[in-house]
Amino acid sequence: DAKTTQPNSMESNEEEPVHLPCNHSTISGTDYIHWYRQLPSQGPEYVIHGLTSNVNNRMASLAIAEDRKSSTLILHRATLRDAAVYYCILTSGAGSYQLTFGKGTKLSVIP
Amino acid sequence: DAMVIQNPRYQVTQFGKPVTLSCSQTLNHNVMYWYQQKSSQAPKLLFHYYDKDFNNEADTPDNFQSRRPNTSFCFLDIRSPGLGDAAMYLCATSSNPNQPQHFGDGTRLSIL
Repeated sequence: DAKTTQPNSMESNEEEPVHLPCNHSTISGTDYIHWYRQLPSQGPEYVIHGLTSNVNNRMASLAIAEDRKSSTLILHRATLRDAAVYYCILTSGAGSYQLTFGKGTKLSVIP
Repeated sequence: DAMVIQNPRYQVTQFGKPVTLSCSQTLNHNVMYWYQQKSSQAPKLLFHYYDKDFNNEADTPDNFQSRRPNTSFCFLDIRSPGLGDAAMYLCATSSNPNQPQHFGDGTRLSIL
């Protein structure tokens, strides 16, 4: 499985946008980019996924570089509830049954 | 509206005493997964069911087994738990392998 690299931790002020980076330089043409997050004492939660084009949903936006070697999860307005560990995961094809979680980025939100 | 339900949230068992963790879902999803998450680590897939087809990850310990008697329920059986099996166990579902996974809040297993 292609690997991802994320910063160990990031901080954001409440109500400001947050850009969470993910590097995946060995991504193959059919690999999808998934983002999940895990709030304290909870199971992971699906955030967003994409292949080539930028994606938007009610939770976040996913910006994918043109060469697909990196992507950025964008939270438009951080709230205290967004404090979590964010995982960037690649899967072969669209199938997500082979979720291989890396260390993720721990996001702290400052009031 | 809990959709993937894991009970209990906390389970304590003795070293070597078999334990069963349960997961139920109200989503009618075809795929159910079990993950192990040790303290300060990322979740690690143990196995999954696609309908009745069982798929075991290559490095899942032999004393971990699973049962899925029907669409709604899935069980994780640990035959002889060791101290190293203390972890959070997460259940997840998806309608098919191409769709996002929905996780329960896990059962934290402690071994005395």
